[in-house]
Amino acid sequence: EVQLVESGGGLIQPGGSLRLSCAASGFTVSTNYMTWVRQAPGKGLEWVSVIYIDGSPYYADSVRGRFTVSRDISKNTLYLQTNSLRAEDTAVYYCATEIAATKGALDFWGQGTMVTVSS
Amino acid sequence: QSVLTQPPSVSGAPGQRITISCTGSSSNIGADHDVHWYQQLPGTAPRLLIYGNNNRPSGVPDRFSGSKSATSASLAITGLQAEDEAEYHCQSYDNNLGDSRVFGGGTKLTVL
Repeated sequence: EVQLVESGGGLIQPGGSLRLSCAASGFTVSTNYMTWVRQAPGKGLEWVSVIYIDGSPYYADSVRGRFTVSRDISKNTLYLQTNSLRAEDTAVYYCATEIAATKGALDFWGQGTMVTVSS
Repeated sequence: QSVLTQPPSVSGAPGQRITISCTGSSSNIGADHDVHWYQQLPGTAPRLLIYGNNNRPSGVPDRFSGSKSATSASLAITGLQAEDEAEYHCQSYDNNLGDSRVFGGGTKLTVL
């Protein structure tokens, strides 16, 4: 059974950093496109980042240069390093698997981890 | 401001048919990129409802269907049920944003 479990969220001051984790089971992260999506309170979904099978990362304009996606094959875990956090980064962060060759269809999701950026 | 535009809300009575629109542009839906739809119940993660414009994952009832034309797409729900009350999101890919996926702002469906 495919399962994704996010962790690492919390309350952080503006300018701070957090590393979000997404532990996967039932499949291998390195053989799937893996995505981060966030949802600010009361708002819609916002695509954040994807890492391809070959390890190539891509980012939304709103986070490029501040966020870094990576994966640890030995731990079968996806990460999102978030730096220089701003109030507008406050959101629930979800990791998800992307169906190959669909340019975006996300078929399995984690439960999300909340990041609150506030002083 | 989302790249894809959805109505903030729609409503319908049980048993009725409703549609939710998703309007894009020549750099995303109009560039022949696929549209995907998600259902999000309150307090839960989104669930893939439709992928590749009109394909349903296993387990999704055939009351849900998708279509696409020019720079827009639509999600249709027939035989509306109380359990369909949720937020619905569309998604596509955009040529202009560096290999980016884009979402609509979401539509709240109320079953009257």
